[in-house]
Amino acid sequence: QSILTQPPSVSGTPGQRVTISCSGGRSNIGDNAVNWYRQVPGTAPQLLISNNNQWPSGVPHRFSGSKSGTSASLAISDLQSEDEADYYCATWDDSLTGPVFGGGTKLTVL
Amino acid sequence: QLLLQESGPGLVKPSETLSLRCSVSDDSMTTSGYYWGWIRQPPGKGLEWLGNFYYSGRTYYNPSLKNRLTISVDSSKKEVSLELRSVTAADTSVYYCVRLSRDYSILSLTWGQGMLVTVSS
Repeated sequence: QSILTQPPSVSGTPGQRVTISCSGGRSNIGDNAVNWYRQVPGTAPQLLISNNNQWPSGVPHRFSGSKSGTSASLAISDLQSEDEADYYCATWDDSLTGPVFGGGTKLTVL
Repeated sequence: QLLLQESGPGLVKPSETLSLRCSVSDDSMTTSGYYWGWIRQPPGKGLEWLGNFYYSGRTYYNPSLKNRLTISVDSSKKEVSLELRSVTAADTSVYYCVRLSRDYSILSLTWGQGMLVTVSS
């Protein structure tokens, strides 16, 4: 069971906006910034959002992140078929002295 | 650009020890602020942090694996090692070598490409 809680799946149609939530606690999301990763099968996770809401180079601004208290969310607007993937939230956990992850959310574009 | 490359047996028998090595391409192993560790992902499942080795020599482990796990670093060889003892089928996963840092509460992760290890007789 993952320390951060995400919905197992979300879906949407092309052009729609979807959101993925991520819930944690004080020692992780509460006191640290949240990253979001995108993973396609057979590859390592790729950084999508850093520091709650910052875009690494090359990431389209259709992806946006936010954080409030011990929860965070990822929003994907103008949904496209190539957005189908697994999405993970991650942050540092002060009590573990290591990273913690959400269980992952599978995005399906209908 | 940092490159991390995992290597080791892809098949391990139940009750034996899983041993992996990670080759580090640059000279950051002794740089202040970096952790070196492992993350795994069972087939079709989520990511699980296993443990970190801090550049100062201290190690931190996932409590669920602490009794079976050893992570070590050989900076002269630029290698990070993982030993997981008494494995079962539940340890079948893709194992990722990672470099981690936490600057001003921001997590930074550099990933290796990952290596599938199957536990089976």
